[in-house]
Amino acid sequence: SQQGEEDPQALSIQEGENATMNCSYKTSINNLQWYRQNSGRGLVHLILIRSNEREKHSGRLRVTLDTSKKSSSLLITASRAADTASYFCATAIFPGTASKLTFGTGTRLQVTL
Amino acid sequence: EAGVAQSPRYKIIEKRQSVAFWCNPISGHATLYWYQQILGQGPKLLIQFQNNGVVDDSQLPKDRFSAERLKGVDSTLKIQPAKLEDSAVYLCASSFGQGAGSPLHFGNGTRLTVT
Repeated sequence: SQQGEEDPQALSIQEGENATMNCSYKTSINNLQWYRQNSGRGLVHLILIRSNEREKHSGRLRVTLDTSKKSSSLLITASRAADTASYFCATAIFPGTASKLTFGTGTRLQVTL
Repeated sequence: EAGVAQSPRYKIIEKRQSVAFWCNPISGHATLYWYQQILGQGPKLLIQFQNNGVVDDSQLPKDRFSAERLKGVDSTLKIQPAKLEDSAVYLCASSFGQGAGSPLHFGNGTRLTVT
């Protein structure tokens, strides 16, 4: 079963607006990662935030993590048409010596001119 | 650095036929993953290798799917016999660190259509 659930499933905004995507998960995690997937391509890593961190920034991206609520959010500021893609959160847990990265269902973002 | 290479890019087969996918990870990456992504869903882990040993294959349908990682580098994923529900994109990924403590680098995937 998938650990993360993204919300909304789809989001349509105009260029220049901000886009916010949310991710909720069920069990304790070691880190949470966000990935982008353009149509017909593989996933590209955006940001990794560890369980003891609350916020991280990378360029126009801002990720927050609230472990008490088991949720994370990805904010894309001043969106561009090139940001059109699906965005996935992935939660990492470390049972024993192994580690598992489980992806959510994704948010499809459409940025129009 | 060169990215994760996968081939073929597309494959169309009839049900009950067999198919194989190949993956070459980024040089030096110890961990290799195969994910299955059905249209409209997130990727689902099929198997995870650490060097040439299997770390997790709990979601691999072992009656029809098999995978190996040769000398801890390249990997092949095989389906035999294929079913209609195997239609999906098969993504290979690799990471430098041990497991999910570091970012995954994905290939562009193989889109499989089973008719």
